[in-house]
Amino acid sequence: EAGVAQSPRYKIIEKRQSVAFWCNPISGHATLYWYQQILGQGPKLLIQFQNNGVVDDSQLPKDRFSAERLKGVDSTLKIQPAKLEDSAVYLCASSSRTGANNSPLHFGNGTRLTVT
Amino acid sequence: RKEVEQDPGPFNVPEGATVAFNCTYSNSASQSFFWYRQDCRKEPKLLMSVYSSGNEDGRFTAQLNRASQYISLLIRDSKLSDSATYLCVPTGGSYIPTFGRGTSLIVHP
Repeated sequence: EAGVAQSPRYKIIEKRQSVAFWCNPISGHATLYWYQQILGQGPKLLIQFQNNGVVDDSQLPKDRFSAERLKGVDSTLKIQPAKLEDSAVYLCASSSRTGANNSPLHFGNGTRLTVT
Repeated sequence: RKEVEQDPGPFNVPEGATVAFNCTYSNSASQSFFWYRQDCRKEPKLLMSVYSSGNEDGRFTAQLNRASQYISLLIRDSKLSDSATYLCVPTGGSYIPTFGRGTSLIVHP
């Protein structure tokens, strides 16, 4: 079984620039998550999709962050404009069901963003 | 109270030691619980799932106490390769998977 694919692995941008990350979940997984992990902290959920609908985006800074999952499969996360504090690893995860037992998250290897 | 609380450590133990971590959670509606392992600069990887009172997998034992709202992870006969950060994640129902900050374990020779 292919895992969660993310790209790029690394990105360095200057503040106020824009950046986009891409994620392709495990085939058949309806639920997709974007997490932000700042060094020394646990992953923080930014947005959760169930198919192409948003389940939760309460912690997504909507003035600068946006995410979409138009066809219910792959997803993009965008930051525009970036700030220094956005430097973090952006992790995409997928699971087979929402809010049910037996549905652990499977993570991609993340995108490490550095904003200078 | 934070949704998920873990002692960040680090727990510094010699090889062969037994070590235990606790994780407390605030949402009593949580149904499923997972322990993830995260190596430095890597993504979290599932270590154990806990659906009822507990689970055991080799040297690893997870126990759930719903009344007190905590789960524990016990590692026996620690190996150098167990050095990592251990993250607990309560989830289930309408509860969004929320990670604690993790507990750092360092196993030394």
